[in-house]
Amino acid sequence: DTGVSQNPRHKITKRGQNVTFRCDPISEHNRLYWYRQTLGQGPEFLTYFQNEAQLEKSRLLSDRFSAERPKGSFSTLEIQRTEQGDSAMYLCASSLVVHEGGYTFGSGTRLTVV
Amino acid sequence: AQTVTQSQPEMSVQEAETVTLSCTYDTSESDYYLFWYKQPPSRQMILVIRQEAYKQQNATENRFSVNFQKAAKSFSLKISDSQLGDAAMYFCAYRPIIQGAQKLVFGQGTRLTINP
Repeated sequence: DTGVSQNPRHKITKRGQNVTFRCDPISEHNRLYWYRQTLGQGPEFLTYFQNEAQLEKSRLLSDRFSAERPKGSFSTLEIQRTEQGDSAMYLCASSLVVHEGGYTFGSGTRLTVV
Repeated sequence: AQTVTQSQPEMSVQEAETVTLSCTYDTSESDYYLFWYKQPPSRQMILVIRQEAYKQQNATENRFSVNFQKAAKSFSLKISDSQLGDAAMYFCAYRPIIQGAQKLVFGQGTRLTINP
């Protein structure tokens, strides 16, 4: 197992464009999480899935953001009509339901909106 | 709302010395987990150590140990015999142990520099 994989590692886009990020969790992990981290800050929770069900969404996840996990495996995070304020590192993590405690994080996707 | 505060934006220590990173949190819950994560320049977050609030004994993982003071809502990380590879951002995080509560709440982080 190669851990949590995120693609792409970096994305530069023009304001107003749509972008999509992908996360492949550890194969036996049934929970998947998305976090956003801006420079010099700690990660902020966006949403999480248990299998294919999206169980919680943060108020940070505006209507321009949508996340899916169609078959309970990989997940995608799409941002429509990107704004400069969307520039951040988007982190994905996964865990087992019964695992007490920490997640396994991916290396993140750094988004720059110009 | 639950919050986590790391009051030291930056810390530095000489190689082989000991350093302590501070963390305080605010919660009305009685059962929860506390974590320290390390984020090296490659950006992947790595779990360093975990503490369950119902355990009085402080967690230890090799050179890393915590000082958990539940009444004071304090959770500091001590790194002994600091090594160059310990240089990273360190984040304190909290998660309550209640049904449906899955998100981690992170502090702002402390950047640790190791001086050779």
